Amino acid sequence: RKEVEQDPGPFNVPEGATVAFNCTYSNSASQSFFWYRQDCRKEPKLLMSVYSSGNEDGRFTAQLNRASQYISLLIRDSKLSDSATYLCVVNPDMDTGRRALTFGSGTRLQVQP
Amino acid sequence: NAGVTQTPKFRVLKTGQSMTLLCAQDMNHEYMYWYRQDPGMGLRLIHYSVGEGTTAKGEVPDGYNVSRLKKQNFLLGLESAAPSQTSVYFCASSYLGSPYEQYFGPGTRLTVT
Repeated sequence: RKEVEQDPGPFNVPEGATVAFNCTYSNSASQSFFWYRQDCRKEPKLLMSVYSSGNEDGRFTAQLNRASQYISLLIRDSKLSDSATYLCVVNPDMDTGRRALTFGSGTRLQVQP
Repeated sequence: NAGVTQTPKFRVLKTGQSMTLLCAQDMNHEYMYWYRQDPGMGLRLIHYSVGEGTTAKGEVPDGYNVSRLKKQNFLLGLESAAPSQTSVYFCASSYLGSPYEQYFGPGTRLTVT
């Protein structure tokens, strides 16, 4: 079983739509969670952190469900510029000092005019 | 402020050849990482460094070596390239105080024939 699993998509949605992605993680001891965004043939960039209480940044809302070990990302009022691959990222190594991240393989979003 | 840069951007090697990928960051970050990204696999950590003169193995270290002689540079070496090392290689760096906000370089696309 992969440590971080995501539906690869693609999710094809019209502009203005609301779309949600889920991600599940296997290590119940994981402490830190993030969403990164990766445009086609570009490097990943941090989109937002995911806190236990959930967090919102403009049109983006991230939530964490520790009991079910999943993370979600909600995008409201989708824009063409939101088209990208969204990577679910978990830090499972709080005690090792490695500060490394475990990446999901990503969910591709295509927003259509 | 260039952020994280990688050299070269593209390279084609024959099986058995060696090469070095260079990563440089101008943000005075303590942590640096090398990842590889393959289709459907997500990014996987090869090696990482928590400071100048220190390196450690990640998830997939076999066939690679690294060095961090200067804080701003992190080199990844392939001693004897194999077709299984065909991939996109990303370097990343992060602050000691915010280790999970990783800044990525633009990537190196390596093909081994």
